[in-house]
Amino acid sequence: AQKITQTQPGMFVQEKEAVTLDCTYDTSDPSYGLFWYKQPSSGEMIFLIYQGSYDQQNATEGRYSLNFQKARKSANLVISASQLGDSAMYFCAMREVRTGANNLFFGTGTRLTIIP
Amino acid sequence: KAGVTQTPRYLIKTRGQQVTLSCSPISGHRSVSWYQQTPGQGLQFLFEYFSETQRNKGNFPGRFSGRQFSNSRSEMNVSTLELGDSALYLCASSLAQDGYTFGSGTRLTVV
Repeated sequence: AQKITQTQPGMFVQEKEAVTLDCTYDTSDPSYGLFWYKQPSSGEMIFLIYQGSYDQQNATEGRYSLNFQKARKSANLVISASQLGDSAMYFCAMREVRTGANNLFFGTGTRLTIIP
Repeated sequence: KAGVTQTPRYLIKTRGQQVTLSCSPISGHRSVSWYQQTPGQGLQFLFEYFSETQRNKGNFPGRFSGRQFSNSRSEMNVSTLELGDSALYLCASSLAQDGYTFGSGTRLTVV
C-alpha cells in the first residue's frame, strides 16, 4: 500500500485565490512526521511546513498552513493568496519514527499552476 | 548559512560507465540521505549516512553505493550505468528528525 497518496496530478488556480492540495497517508506508527515540499522546475526541493503526529495545533508558516486531520489520516496543504511564484510541483512526505529509519516517503506530487 | 551543495549539477554518461556524485551538507548536520527522482517511479529513498556509517538503505541494486567522510560530506556511486538510471539525484541533510534540507540535485543522463 502507498504510504502517501496525492490524488491531484495537476491543479490550475487563479492568482490571489486560496488553494488546497490533498494528501492522505497510511501508517501504523503512532509517531510520525508529515512534510510538504515545493519543487520548482530548477529541481531543488524547498521545505514548506512540518506537522508532528502529536502536535495539537495545525502547523502554519506564513501563507502555508497544514490542515491536519489525524483520524482521517489527512494532511492537506493550504496556500492562501496564491502568487505566480507558487507555480511548481508540491510533494507531501512522511517520516515514521518507530522504524528508526531517517528517511522520507513521498507522494507522487501535484503540479500547481497559478493563472494570472 | 550555506545550504546543501550538490555537484555536479548536470552529468551525461554512457551506458556501462560509472559515476560519482557529491553532496556537502549544511555545517553541523551529520545525517545525509540520498533520493532518486524519475518520472516513472517518483522520489525513492536510496540510503542514509550518519557519522560515516550507512544507517538505512532503500531497495536499490548493489550498483548503487555511497559513503560519508569525517566532515559529513557524502558521495554516491553508481557502477555499470543503465539507461534507467537517468534521473535527478537529490541529497538531503538533517540535524533533527523534523527537518530535511535538500540540495538542488544532480541531473544524470545516461545515453
